[in-house]
Amino acid sequence: AQSVTQLDSHVSVSEGTPVLLRCNYSSSYSPSLFWYVQHPNKGLQLLLKYTSAATLVKGINGFEAEFKKSETSFHLTKPSAHMSDAAEYFCVVSDTQDSSYKLIFGSGTRLLVRP
Amino acid sequence: NAGVTQTPKFQVLKTGQSMTLQCAQDMNHNSMYWYRQDPGMGLRLIYYSASEGTTDKGEVPNGYNVSRLNKREFSLRLESAAPSQTSVYFCAIRLDRGFITSYEQYFGPGTRLTVT
Repeated sequence: AQSVTQLDSHVSVSEGTPVLLRCNYSSSYSPSLFWYVQHPNKGLQLLLKYTSAATLVKGINGFEAEFKKSETSFHLTKPSAHMSDAAEYFCVVSDTQDSSYKLIFGSGTRLLVRP
Repeated sequence: NAGVTQTPKFQVLKTGQSMTLQCAQDMNHNSMYWYRQDPGMGLRLIYYSASEGTTDKGEVPNGYNVSRLNKREFSLRLESAAPSQTSVYFCAIRLDRGFITSYEQYFGPGTRLTVT
């Protein structure tokens, strides 16, 4: 069975400093991995996705993530945090062996950005 | 979230009442999903529909029923609401890419349901 672990429930950074949100996955097969962002009282927006092409994936708003198979990790980074980045972030893996193509969500990391 | 609409946006029910959450897409994709979001737990799949007229259970189907009568709409029904069903409900579609299998899903804006 596939699963996702987000290692931090909350991360707090100062505006202008780097962001690191950590995610480890468990998968018996080549996974498809995603990061979604949810701003307060809003829906979910896709930030970026990994689908077995380049291991370094660039997303929207300056975010990127690196797929490391040896470490089963897919950490999300951004060089410089902006106040508008404050939101909840979900690491997600797809169940590629399940015909439902369902998504399996981590429990989320809430990013706080201090002025 | 243009492309996937959900109604209502907010709803308060008393225990035992019934209601239907509506989801509609104008993006012509086959697969549709219902998730619930609870604090500290991410999203969990309730039911999904791979195509018009077919539905299957997800991780947490108890207390819910669904209906996919046409390609555009996928509804979620609570027959007898319970406080444990207080949650935010999201509908999603899987983005078909033709011959390339895609796992990316596009989400609606959500329905916030409170059961008292």
